[in-house]
Amino acid sequence: SQTIHQWPATLVQPVGSPLSLECTVEGTSNPNLYWYRQAAGRGLQLLFYSVGIGQISSEVPQNLSASRPQDRQFILSSKKLLLSDSGFYLCAWSVSRDEETQYFGPGTRLLVL
Amino acid sequence: AQSVTQPDIHITVSEGASLELRCNYSYGATPYLFWYVQSPGQGLQLLLKYFSGDTLVQGIKGFEAEFKRSQSSFNLRKPSVHWSDAAEYFCAVGRYGNKLVFGAGTILRVKS
Repeated sequence: SQTIHQWPATLVQPVGSPLSLECTVEGTSNPNLYWYRQAAGRGLQLLFYSVGIGQISSEVPQNLSASRPQDRQFILSSKKLLLSDSGFYLCAWSVSRDEETQYFGPGTRLLVL
Repeated sequence: AQSVTQPDIHITVSEGASLELRCNYSYGATPYLFWYVQSPGQGLQLLLKYFSGDTLVQGIKGFEAEFKRSQSSFNLRKPSVHWSDAAEYFCAVGRYGNKLVFGAGTILRVKS
């Protein structure tokens, strides 16, 4: 069966520091991968999605970037965090054909101080 | 543009009572429809989905949803709510090749 992992689970970072959040999927090949942000009291905002290694689409211009160095690895990064980057970051995957059912990881809580 | 509306931000029901969470969408064609549930501090868990066929779909944890094309709705129901159902519920729509669009969510509180 497929599983999705995210780490760290929680992160507290100072403003201006770099960021690296990691997401990995097991049990499937060539998945579509997604990064979402969920701010307090708000719904989900799609940040990036990827249909293959090195292929990244950005949905919202911002202080963040994403990379996909391996088939089942998706990384969310920032060179300098802003206060507004605080939130709950969710990674998701879907099968790259047939349907768009997305399966979510446990999330990373980021607090920028 | 595609959009999803969940008109109720918060809903409170008594344990054992029935539940209906509303979801309306705007989409160019009949989309795929999903309901997810999120417990505090957790990721989203898929409750059920509709792609085609029978408009009443059954999901996990005793939930069901009915697709009504004429009303552009996909409401989630449960006949008897348990305290463990307290969570936030998200409706989402999409179509192959397009990304999912999520509603803003409905927070369910269960009174004992």
